Amino acid sequence: AQRVTQPEKLLSVFKGAPVELKCNYSYSGSPELFWYVQYSRQRLQLLLRHISRESIKGFTADLNKGETSFHLKKPFAQEEDSAMYYCALRTSGTYKYIFGTGTRLKVLA
Amino acid sequence: EPEVTQTPSHQVTQMGQEVILRCVPISNHLYFYWYRQILGQKVEFLVSFYNNEISEKSEIFDDQFSVERPDGSNFTLKIRSTKLEDSAMYFCASSLGHEQFFGPGTRLTVL
Repeated sequence: AQRVTQPEKLLSVFKGAPVELKCNYSYSGSPELFWYVQYSRQRLQLLLRHISRESIKGFTADLNKGETSFHLKKPFAQEEDSAMYYCALRTSGTYKYIFGTGTRLKVLA
Repeated sequence: EPEVTQTPSHQVTQMGQEVILRCVPISNHLYFYWYRQILGQKVEFLVSFYNNEISEKSEIFDDQFSVERPDGSNFTLKIRSTKLEDSAMYFCASSLGHEQFFGPGTRLTVL
């Protein structure tokens, strides 16, 4: 069955430190991976998708099919990065997302 | 920038009552979705809707649930006879293709 795993419920880092939010997926076909972010009291919004290979707000994520991972990285965390981050998988032939459980990122001053 | 809107933001109902959650998707989008998130758990897919019919649904989306696009702008989720375990945040989303745009959610509390 398709599944997305985000092993960390909470990740606390100091401002200026590097951040890596882990995401692993289980799917035998060709996946589409996304990172969504939810700031306090705001809606889920798209941060990154693997097919665009862009950097948004300093975040990047690379799809590693060998390790079935799509980790989110930022070299220098900012306080405004504090939020819930969700990794999502879309499988072939469907438009639905399969979400991970989310990681709460807290960036400490 | 256009956004998905949802009403109400919070709905409290008694067990066994019917509820209708409303969503206004982004106007030129073609695909519509409902997800739910029980407190402390992951966001779960319920149903997708395209061309005026359900295109996919999860095992959660049983006979108690239905969706409708009654007037070309609203997209509704109806729960016929609510159960305590239906208490959750319900998110509507819409898309033209791969990227889904989410509404702010409706918190449903079943007493």
